Amino acid sequence: AQKITQTQPGMFVQEKEAVTLDCTYDTSDQSYGLFWYKQPSSGEMIFLIYQGSYDEQNATEGRYSLNFQKARKSANLVISASQLGDSAMYFCAMREEISSGSARQLTFGSGTQLTVLP
Amino acid sequence: ETGVTQSPTHLIKTRGQQVTLRCSSQSGHNTVSWYQQALGQGPQFIFQYYREEENGRGNFPPRFSGLQFPNYSSELNVNALELDDSALYLCASSPKDSQETQYFGPGTRLLVL
Repeated sequence: AQKITQTQPGMFVQEKEAVTLDCTYDTSDQSYGLFWYKQPSSGEMIFLIYQGSYDEQNATEGRYSLNFQKARKSANLVISASQLGDSAMYFCAMREEISSGSARQLTFGSGTQLTVLP
Repeated sequence: ETGVTQSPTHLIKTRGQQVTLRCSSQSGHNTVSWYQQALGQGPQFIFQYYREEENGRGNFPPRFSGLQFPNYSSELNVNALELDDSALYLCASSPKDSQETQYFGPGTRLLVL
């Protein structure tokens, strides 16, 4: 069974500084994908970044980067130059990437509430 | 904007009633997944539909059921509502068998009294 652990219920960061949100995972699958989503108070889950288990380079998307350490089973999200609009709940999620025939659902962690301070 | 829409945005029901939630997938996406997110928790997978058939289910009882239509829109039906069914219900669409991610709609907030 897949499991995602986010150990930081809440984080604070000063505007324009960088912040790292932690995520560790547990799976017996060899092929899997790791995702980060942002959820503002409105409720919609906004996709931020994806990392495949076989990708050798860390994924980057604008101010977001994923620090992927496969041996440690960690997939931390780094947000550079924080903005006030980054204040939201952040979820790490995992999905197995095996072949078709079964649902490839996302397994989510419990989330980290990020607050950006002016 | 993900192109995934859900209706209604909010809903209040009483225990024992039935509810139907609706989702319209992003254009070109033939797979839809439903998730339940209780307050203060991460989303939990309910089930997934591909080409109008259920092809995977999470740990939810049979009173949670769904439909997917030829235009790939979808419904989540919950019978015999319980207080613990109060949650945000999210649908997500994606192309089948691809590396693309699931794109979520804005959710329906259900309150069961």
